[in-house]
Amino acid sequence: DIQMTQSPSSVSASVGDRVTITCRASQGISSWLAWYQQKPGKAPKLLIYAASSLQSGVPSRFSGSGSGTDFTLTISSLQPEDFATYYCQQANSFPPAFGGGTKVEIK
Amino acid sequence: QVQLQESGPGLVKPSQTLSLTCTVSGGSISSGSYYWSWIRQPAGKGLEWIGRIYTSGSTNYNPSLKSRVTISVDTSKNQFSLKLSSVTAADTAVYYCARDRDAFDIWGQGTMVTVSS
Repeated sequence: DIQMTQSPSSVSASVGDRVTITCRASQGISSWLAWYQQKPGKAPKLLIYAASSLQSGVPSRFSGSGSGTDFTLTISSLQPEDFATYYCQQANSFPPAFGGGTKVEIK
Repeated sequence: QVQLQESGPGLVKPSQTLSLTCTVSGGSISSGSYYWSWIRQPAGKGLEWIGRIYTSGSTNYNPSLKSRVTISVDTSKNQFSLKLSSVTAADTAVYYCARDRDAFDIWGQGTMVTVSS
């Protein structure tokens, strides 16, 4: 099975900051990577699919990049509603697997 | 737009079978090339994919749960279901259903299931 490792596990940032989260796959997954945002008590929300494609309705301050084993999610200017936990997920091979999550907290 | 809603008992006794149903509204479960998945999340922890079904009835299960999981679909009711047998406290979690085509683009709100006597 492919293992997904996210870093950092948490980050403290201020409104307006640029935030970058990384995700590493234990083996190559091409561009079969998705990013999700989850707020407390809510279901995850798809932000990015195919490593860099923005899901419809998601603000353009979110962007994704990478291929193979190393990926990043960038929030260009952090907004109050962006404080949440973010998960990556590989869709290259069975079974689908999620990273451990990165909590973005208010500084 | 398509919406998903989980339903089922919130409390299951140890060794019994957990049964949940996901109802799809706003569209047909049979339209489009989608899988329909179950995912769970223990309190304060990460996400674990349980398994999925295609409307043809073909299924895939997480190997870590395969011996205990059955997912089925009822296209006439626009529903798919999860059964997890021989549950223990480790199966206590929020259970989500989700639409799946290379990414999970639509999720239900989740339902909390507690395993306790």
